[in-house]
Amino acid sequence: DTAVSQTPKYLVTQMGNDKSIKCEQNLGHDTMYWYKQDSKKFLKIMFSYNNKELIINETVPNRFSPKSPDKAHLNLHINSLELGDSAVYFCASRASGTVNTGELFFGEGSRLTVL
Amino acid sequence: GQQLNQSPQSMFIQEGEDVSMNCTSSSIFNTWLWYKQDPGEGPVLLIALYKAGELTSNGRLTAQFGITRKDSFLNISASIPSDVGIYFCAGPLANTNAGKSTFGDGTTLTVKP
Repeated sequence: DTAVSQTPKYLVTQMGNDKSIKCEQNLGHDTMYWYKQDSKKFLKIMFSYNNKELIINETVPNRFSPKSPDKAHLNLHINSLELGDSAVYFCASRASGTVNTGELFFGEGSRLTVL
Repeated sequence: GQQLNQSPQSMFIQEGEDVSMNCTSSSIFNTWLWYKQDPGEGPVLLIALYKAGELTSNGRLTAQFGITRKDSFLNISASIPSDVGIYFCAGPLANTNAGKSTFGDGTTLTVKP
């Protein structure tokens, strides 16, 4: 079974549309993240939730809205998609026992292409 | 914000050669983590370093946490084709939210058979 799973793996859509990416982890972790990887492969943190509570919110347009219905799920909704939103979005989770070490478990990524 | 400077940006080597890459920062880190990202996949943790001066090995991989806590290196010995990928250093800054890992810009490794 996949530890951190994201859907969809690929998403192609038109500018202006609204889309969602879902993430689930079966590791029993308390903290989940969304990272964005751009075309230059740079990984930037976007959001983090701990037990359904938002704890990290980087400078991200408010068109991006994360939602965590429970600690095993963290979804990302994007409104009014723009060309610059094209990227690979990674979900990740962190074990409770690694409070001071930051070790992350990543999903396989969701490649978003905005046309 | 803080920055992790990772070098080299890319490497092209022959199978069997040894590889060395490093990360430096002007800020102190509590932990240094080295991840590998295979094409089309998410990053996977290779080695975690927790103490200044710590030297850790994982098979053909060796990594060290610098004494100043501002740098780390990763060595790969006797490279093989499956070592191809992007290697990232990462870690939470000291005295910050431990869950917020900053990532270096990555070193892309190409291994020629």
